[in-house]
Amino acid sequence: QKEVEQNSGPLSVPEGAIASLNCTYSDRGSQSFFWYRQYSGKSPELIMFIYSNGDKEDGRFTAQLNKASQYVSLLIRDSQPSDSATYLCAVYNQGGKLIFGQGTELSVKP
Amino acid sequence: GAVVSQHPSRVICKSGTSVKIECRSLDFQATTMFWYRQFPKQSLMLMATSNEGSKATYEQGVEKDKFLINHASLTLSTLTVTSAHPEDSSFYICSALDRGNYNEQFFGPGTRLTVL
Repeated sequence: QKEVEQNSGPLSVPEGAIASLNCTYSDRGSQSFFWYRQYSGKSPELIMFIYSNGDKEDGRFTAQLNKASQYVSLLIRDSQPSDSATYLCAVYNQGGKLIFGQGTELSVKP
Repeated sequence: GAVVSQHPSRVICKSGTSVKIECRSLDFQATTMFWYRQFPKQSLMLMATSNEGSKATYEQGVEKDKFLINHASLTLSTLTVTSAHPEDSSFYICSALDRGNYNEQFFGPGTRLTVL
């Protein structure tokens, strides 16, 4: 079992819709969770981090964490074509290493 | 957020040569930096953890004699790919850890290495 798992996609949504990205992790002791966006040929850029169960909102982005289910998600409201990218879920394991999922490719169609 | 630079952004070299990549944290001191490698359509794979003033910690399967890491100051870590071969061609990305900012890692822009 991979430490951090994501659906690779591609996930295609129409412009203006909500995009929902999901991630599960195996280390139950993990405390810190990050969502990065990566455009082709570029390095990852941080969108959000979340530490506590529940929702955390930042503009059009909402991160959701459920530690009991070992599940973290990212919702993108009012999706724009510029949101088209690969979204990486990353989790600090108990060894202090940031482990990345394989990424979900999102395509927002005009 | 904090700024991390990498140099060069792109390098093409002949097989058998060595290539040095620099990673700098520009506006904060980073006692810990990380080196990742990313192959096309794959996620970031941690290669090693670089700690200022001490030896780097390498992940399983990463040859420490091939990928030399030096973290000589609080703002600079270098990765040297020695005797590079075509299979070393990849996107190398460094990050710097800001312990004062929820352990957030700030990523450099990456270095595209092509070995002919």
